[in-house]
Amino acid sequence: ELKVEQNPLFLSMQEGKNYTIYCNYSTTSDRLYWYRQDPGKSLESLFVLLSNGAVKQEGRLMASLDTKARLSTLHITAAVHDLSATYFCAGGYKLSFGAGTTVTVRA
Amino acid sequence: DTGVSQDPRHKITKRGQNVTFRCDPISEHNRLYWYRQTLGQGPEFLTYFQNEAQLEKSRLLSDRFSAERPKGSFSTLEIQRTEQGDSAMYLCASSSGGLAGLARTQYFGPGTRLLVL
Repeated sequence: ELKVEQNPLFLSMQEGKNYTIYCNYSTTSDRLYWYRQDPGKSLESLFVLLSNGAVKQEGRLMASLDTKARLSTLHITAAVHDLSATYFCAGGYKLSFGAGTTVTVRA
Repeated sequence: DTGVSQDPRHKITKRGQNVTFRCDPISEHNRLYWYRQTLGQGPEFLTYFQNEAQLEKSRLLSDRFSAERPKGSFSTLEIQRTEQGDSAMYLCASSSGGLAGLARTQYFGPGTRLLVL
């Protein structure tokens, strides 16, 4: 069964600075997903990464995948308050989720 | 096109009562999934359907839990004899995907928040 570990679990960001969330997974997964969850809300799909070296970008968020290292990263550029949320990575056909990274962006 | 919908959004019940939740997936999606999420944790897989067939169930799904998708469209998740430990957010998701093919991105509904007193 796929195990997914994220770090850090909590991330306090300063507006305007850059940060990275790391996602390690235990076994081969054909694709890796990133989701965002706002407090009390459901999950919003951000990215799906399909192959080694894949890079996807949307606004201030960029996700990448290294299948050899079994590592995905979510990079946040010039953090803004609207990015405050919990971010999950997940893999497998019956999604196995990491514990999530709770991001708080402060002025 | 609407997204995944779930009903009810909130449910408060007393221990020992039965509850049933409904999920309506995105209309063209043939796969439907149920997950449970407790506070501060990531969602945990419970079960999934390909059309009307229930293909896999997690060990988390005790005998008190049953799920159906009778016509391959909406699904219901029933919990019998609820316990306080069942309190959680129950999330439904849907995706496209074939028997031999890979599942696509799962789109989640708003969830049903269950509180067992």
